[in-house]
Amino acid sequence: DGGITQSPKYLFRKEGQNVTLSCEQNLNHDAMYWYRQDPGQGLRLIYYSQIVNDFQKGDIAEGYSVSREKKESFPLTVTSAQKNPTAFYLCASSIGGQPQHFGDGTRLSIL
Amino acid sequence: AQSVTQLGSHVSVSEGALVLLRCNYSSSVPPYLFWYVQYPNQGLQLLLKYTSAATLVKGINGFEAEFKKSETSFHLTKPSAHMSDAAEYFCAVSDRGNAGNMLTFGGGTRLMVKP
Repeated sequence: DGGITQSPKYLFRKEGQNVTLSCEQNLNHDAMYWYRQDPGQGLRLIYYSQIVNDFQKGDIAEGYSVSREKKESFPLTVTSAQKNPTAFYLCASSIGGQPQHFGDGTRLSIL
Repeated sequence: AQSVTQLGSHVSVSEGALVLLRCNYSSSVPPYLFWYVQYPNQGLQLLLKYTSAATLVKGINGFEAEFKKSETSFHLTKPSAHMSDAAEYFCAVSDRGNAGNMLTFGGGTRLMVKP
């Protein structure tokens, strides 16, 4: 079945450490997105990519980085510059005018 | 700029009662509108979407929503709540130029269903 796979489901970060969240899709979608979800704040866009080798900052990109070397993959790195990284991270993809399709998320916590 | 306001961060209904989750939007162009549902520790699942066809949109699991341009609203309803409907619901808006691609989300409404 086609879908979006996010891994790991749970991740812990130590102070000063960078961590990378994986997002892979086999839907042949052109566009991919990363959102951060905090209680009571809905989803906020971190980065998005509409084509391979190109990506744009969203509303809260500071302290995060991404790459889009393959159509299927859009990893998100949470750097040590992100001072409040504890959140639920969601990856999504879309094609043309179709609604975004979401993965099951990664929950990041600080040790 | 677009924005979405969901009135009521928590809504509680009894099993079998009407579900009404409110969503108001702001958009400078005619919008596309969406409702998503999220179960605990899972991603978002599309319930329904409005893309300028019929103003009353039917979705999965018995939910429907009505687009009211004069009220800038897109409220989600279900005639009879089931225990399995307990989840968080998000309304989202996208301008027509980007269709479903770039979404602005509301803050979410957590629906609780009492037996």
